Amino acid sequence: EIVMTQSPATLSVSPGERATLSCRASQSLSSNLAWYQQKPGQAPRVLIYGASTRATGIPARFSGSGSGTEFTLTISSLQSEDFAVYYCQQYNDWPRTFGQGTRVEIK
Amino acid sequence: QVQLVESGGGVVQPGTSLRLSCAASGLAFSNIGFHWVRQAPGKGLEWVAVIWYDGSKKYFADSVKGRFTISRDNSKNTLYLQMNSLRAEDTAVYYCARDRGVQWFDPWGQGTLVTVSS
Repeated sequence: EIVMTQSPATLSVSPGERATLSCRASQSLSSNLAWYQQKPGQAPRVLIYGASTRATGIPARFSGSGSGTEFTLTISSLQSEDFAVYYCQQYNDWPRTFGQGTRVEIK
Repeated sequence: QVQLVESGGGVVQPGTSLRLSCAASGLAFSNIGFHWVRQAPGKGLEWVAVIWYDGSKKYFADSVKGRFTISRDNSKNTLYLQMNSLRAEDTAVYYCARDRGVQWFDPWGQGTLVTVSS
């Protein structure tokens, strides 16, 4: 099973600042990685797939990068609605696995 | 638009069974694979199972293999998760999600809560 490790567990950021979230895989994924956002009481929604392709309707302030085992989600200028938990997910192999999440909170 | 609505959750005792349903609308159900993903209270996401568009392939997480089965009724646009021999550690919100190219999940339903407790 591919283990996904996200860091940090919690990120405190002021509105308007940049947030950088990391995701590391225990083996190479090529670009087979997605990022999801989950707000309290809501289902997750996809932000990024293919490591760097924004899903439909996702604002340009969200960007993904990386390949192999190291990936990054960047939120260029945090808006109030961006404070949430973010998960990475690999789809290079079965079982599909998620990172443990990074909580982005208001500083 | 695409809508996925889960149902069937509730409070059950350890060792018993429960069947979850996921009713889909706004998409060509019979051409699409679907997943179940769960989230224990206050915890992260755990993939549970997938079924191919025609039911020809099914994969399960090791944690549920042999206890859970996934099925679909393309005539009813409905996905199912049959959960047997339930354990306390199966307590979670269960989400169904559309498969995108056997890759990522989008969209997700709102989830249904399963609580396994004596």
